[in-house]
Amino acid sequence: DAGVIQSPRHEVTEMGQEVTLRCKPISGHNSLFWYRQTMMRGLELLIYFNNNVPIDDSGMPEDRFSAKMPNASFSTLKIQPSEPRDSAVYFCASSPQGQGYSPLHFGNGTRLTVT
Amino acid sequence: KQEVTQIPAALSVPEGENLVLNCSFTDSAIYNLQWFRQDPGKGLTSLLLIQSSQREQTSGRLNASLDKSSGRSTLYIAASQPGDSATYLCAALSGYSTLTFGKGTMLLVSP
Repeated sequence: DAGVIQSPRHEVTEMGQEVTLRCKPISGHNSLFWYRQTMMRGLELLIYFNNNVPIDDSGMPEDRFSAKMPNASFSTLKIQPSEPRDSAVYFCASSPQGQGYSPLHFGNGTRLTVT
Repeated sequence: KQEVTQIPAALSVPEGENLVLNCSFTDSAIYNLQWFRQDPGKGLTSLLLIQSSQREQTSGRLNASLDKSSGRSTLYIAASQPGDSATYLCAALSGYSTLTFGKGTMLLVSP
């Protein structure tokens, strides 16, 4: 089991550019989550998929953020256009069953810096 | 809206000490309470999950307790080791399947 795989590990981009973060969940897990972590706000849920369907996207900050899960083994989080306040560590997590009913498995995150 | 608070924000202890990390939550109607560990530059690793019907869970030197009525959970680490140094986060699962995280306690265990 390779765990949850995220790419890239680090991303530095200029304001206004498009950023795409990628995630491969653990095989067999039917729930996938995107979180954002900052010092000020801690860990925040952005969006939650179950069986590839978005269930709760109320945490997505604004229309600049979008997420897709075209199949059970791949998800993307896109920011277009990026802004300096989007700088944070973005985590993808998966679980066999829902959010919190079974332990979450986190990837190592993507550290995004927008200058 | 559920709020989860962890005190202290940072803790430094010498190796071998037993220690307690605290977590409080405002809405006692939770389904479970979870503890995670985060090492620098890494994602979170699940340590313990306590169902709302349970009072505690144990894994090795770790023991987590839950008191729903008072809105509190504690993580007890016995005989601390330098390898225990990390940030520990708790999270409460409330209505609408929302997992709310605290900001964590940064633990440093010195040799």
